[in-house]
Amino acid sequence: SSELTQDPAVSVALGQTVRFTCQGDSLRTYYANWYRQKPGQAPVLVVYGDNNRPSGIPDRFSASSSGNTASLTVTGAQAEDEADYYCNSRDSSGNPLFGGGTKLTVL
Amino acid sequence: QVQLVQSGAEVKKPGSSVKVSCKASGGTFNSYGFHWVRQAPGQGLEWMGGIIPKFETSNYAQKVEGRVTITTDESTSTVYMEMNSLTSDDTAVYYCARDRDGDLDYWGQGTLVIVSS
Repeated sequence: SSELTQDPAVSVALGQTVRFTCQGDSLRTYYANWYRQKPGQAPVLVVYGDNNRPSGIPDRFSASSSGNTASLTVTGAQAEDEADYYCNSRDSSGNPLFGGGTKLTVL
Repeated sequence: QVQLVQSGAEVKKPGSSVKVSCKASGGTFNSYGFHWVRQAPGQGLEWMGGIIPKFETSNYAQKVEGRVTITTDESTSTVYMEMNSLTSDDTAVYYCARDRDGDLDYWGQGTLVIVSS
């Protein structure tokens, strides 16, 4: 099916590690990309393809994938990481597909 | 530095149309595809459609196909999204985004479209 499933919300203590997951059949074919969105702002690409980070994204963000599940890990979460995180891949027609998003709370 | 700058907020009546623009700068316009993604209040991201300027090909999400038209003006490096037959369900922030090679590496600032009588 053309769906990407994410947990609605996760929380992490300041400085600890948090992992986001994204599940979907398309992930067996396409890499997942990950976006961070803070309230009132546009999404920002944080990891793409085979664990690549755009310029300016700290190396505490990393990604991995296995089978139909992709993961984004934030190692040493900071207060400024509190945001919504979306995974994105392609559907069977090659069009962009988004997960429902995960709200991260940093405690 | 790549920038996508969108047109301003719109308030529309049900049944009317809206056209949102997205002007690209700092990159080679024809080297990329562009997409429109919307976000209803409190909701997630929803892909609406995309276009590849070089090939002048566009495609649309089934949910909005027939109501949305995406076009480009290469002379001004601008992408347009026009939606007709608006309903309150179309109230959302509309984003344009550049497709590098499967990932959306740059996004516009968003355009709020409110559909209300």
